[in-house]
Amino acid sequence: ETGVTQTPRHLVMGMTNKKSLKCEQHLGHNAMYWYKQSAKKPLELMFVYNFKEQTENNSVPSRFSPECPNSSHLFLHLHTLQPEDSALYLCASSRLLESVDTQYFGPGTRLTVL
Amino acid sequence: GQNIDQPTEMTATEGAIVQINCTYQTSGFNGLFWYQQHAGEAPTFLSYNVLDGLEEKGRFSSFLSRSKGYSYLLLKELQMKDSASYLCAVRDRDYKLSFGAGTTVTVRA
Repeated sequence: ETGVTQTPRHLVMGMTNKKSLKCEQHLGHNAMYWYKQSAKKPLELMFVYNFKEQTENNSVPSRFSPECPNSSHLFLHLHTLQPEDSALYLCASSRLLESVDTQYFGPGTRLTVL
Repeated sequence: GQNIDQPTEMTATEGAIVQINCTYQTSGFNGLFWYQQHAGEAPTFLSYNVLDGLEEKGRFSSFLSRSKGYSYLLLKELQMKDSASYLCAVRDRDYKLSFGAGTTVTVRA
């Protein structure tokens, strides 16, 4: 069971394309996160939003642009990506940024950049 | 930065016990989490430790020693469905989660 959904589940794009990843949470949470998961590497935190305000940008290149229009939706806009950006992109949410609650993850978008 | 280490792979037999160790060095400590991730799926929450000691949840238990920067996840009575990657994650003073690379557990019949 997951209250966090992500679309699309798979995406193949060229380096000159522009695409967006979407995340939606149905848990009434106020904090949302983007992570990157590459093969054999730890999950890397990319962005954090708390009550729609960005609180963390973990030195992510500007070709990744997040957007959080409300507490339930989070987008990741992609443009002029590189092949090394191919990875699983995971969205997560938690009730509050500074609570003891765990984060709940979506199923991820498997991105391949050609 | 954060440093979280766990073994890359472990193999065990159905019905057996496996212990996955995790050591960490972080800037501040606000809890340690274990997640299970099956191939192609989302990580799912297994356990949370913030105080020293053992937390038991059915077949899964997790232990924490803050002074040693050490935790382990114990999986008992292994089942085939337990074959997955197990992620150790530590929350720092800013409430950010840092993850280890994950331990792939293979359960054999």
